[in-house]
Amino acid sequence: GAVVSQHPSWVICKSGTSVKIECRSLDFQATTMFWYRQFPKQSLMLMATSNEGSKATYEQGVEKDKFLINHASLTLSTLTVTSAHPEDSSFYICSAPTGLANEKLFFGSGTQLSVL
Amino acid sequence: QKEVEQNSGPLSVPEGAIASLNCTYSDRGSQSFFWYRQYSGKSPELIMSIYSNGDKEDGRFTAQLNKASQYVSLLIRDSQPSDSATYLCAVKRGGSYIPTFGRGTSLIVHP
Repeated sequence: GAVVSQHPSWVICKSGTSVKIECRSLDFQATTMFWYRQFPKQSLMLMATSNEGSKATYEQGVEKDKFLINHASLTLSTLTVTSAHPEDSSFYICSAPTGLANEKLFFGSGTQLSVL
Repeated sequence: QKEVEQNSGPLSVPEGAIASLNCTYSDRGSQSFFWYRQYSGKSPELIMSIYSNGDKEDGRFTAQLNKASQYVSLLIRDSQPSDSATYLCAVKRGGSYIPTFGRGTSLIVHP
């Protein structure tokens, strides 16, 4: 299957700092990538859709100034959590659609963010 | 509002048994259906996709789809402890990139 690489796998940071998470499609080009957040024992929550060469589309209730998304190339999307606070601690996962009609979604390995 | 419903479980089955996981969805425009497996602390992994009514088998896994009843299920034969995970059902409308995920069913296979 398609490979989506996500880094870092985990990060611990102090409150008020910013954290950047990278998501790369390794063997295919992804004009669209999705960013999800998942709290313990909860389902995946779509945060935003990242579009190569244009602005990201954010889901309702997600602050675009806090969660900055950049999709500068066909293989790389980044999510920056700005001025992180403890309530931002979560598991962040990127994904990219692929397949004949972009039918299938492949996920990165996820980033566990802990804000102290 | 599009919804995908799953029993959160946990569903506990003995090793070697058949595990049956169920999912219902509300959007009649749904055309693509997926099952993902997610181990604790890991990201979801696609294990099955199904697009037409009936059964689709892949190894020990069988996906079943009934669009009239808006129901999709996953059967795992000869369950192994390594199958213990959360199974996420995802449903997608035709022409949409974005699936809607259920909350997942936790499966525990005990030796």
